[in-house]
Amino acid sequence: GENVEQHPSTLSVQEGDSAVIKCTYSDSASNYFPWYKQELGKRPQLIIDIRSNVGEKKDQRIAVTLNKTAKHFSLHITETQPEDSAVYFCAAGRFGSQGNLIFGKGTKLSVKP
Amino acid sequence: GAGVSQTPSNKVTEKGKYVELRCDPISGHTALYWYRQSLGQGPEFLIYFQGTGAADDSGLPNDRFFAVRPEGSVSTLKIQRTERGDSAVYLCASSPTGAANSPLHFGNGTRLTVT
Repeated sequence: GENVEQHPSTLSVQEGDSAVIKCTYSDSASNYFPWYKQELGKRPQLIIDIRSNVGEKKDQRIAVTLNKTAKHFSLHITETQPEDSAVYFCAAGRFGSQGNLIFGKGTKLSVKP
Repeated sequence: GAGVSQTPSNKVTEKGKYVELRCDPISGHTALYWYRQSLGQGPEFLIYFQGTGAADDSGLPNDRFFAVRPEGSVSTLKIQRTERGDSAVYLCASSPTGAANSPLHFGNGTRLTVT
């Protein structure tokens, strides 16, 4: 089955700096890669996703890149703000197939003012 | 509109007891998922329903865990003979179609503590 590895487990940056979180996956059939943000004590919420037919997707300060050959994808947050502080989870699944998502273990991002 | 609702929000039970956790998905969502999240970990898949049937129950850890969705809406996760290792936050999510790219909408979870 699918296995998703996520690094780093914790990340601390200064406000305004960029943050990068990386994930690798094992199942070459996976072709859908969402990212979720979970604030302390709250539910995970989808922030951005990418399908395997594109290499990069951007939404304001957030971007995701995908390298299908190497089976890894990354989340990039630019101009970080204190409200970006949360735990971020990557996940992998199969577009067009009914099924579940496999999540990474999460990255705790702290943005210091 | 209303999001995914889970009850109770917290449940404390003694080892060996039986518990039921309830999930009300977003109206009209055909797919419903149960995940378990331990402290410091990502959500771990348990079971997925498409309509009334369990399309994939490969994540259930053992036969003490069971889930139903009899009318294709509300789902109940049932845990028999609870163990301390079952302590976690149990998250329910629903999505419109169940395709893997269909966004998951999570509930706030039920925090289960087995003493």
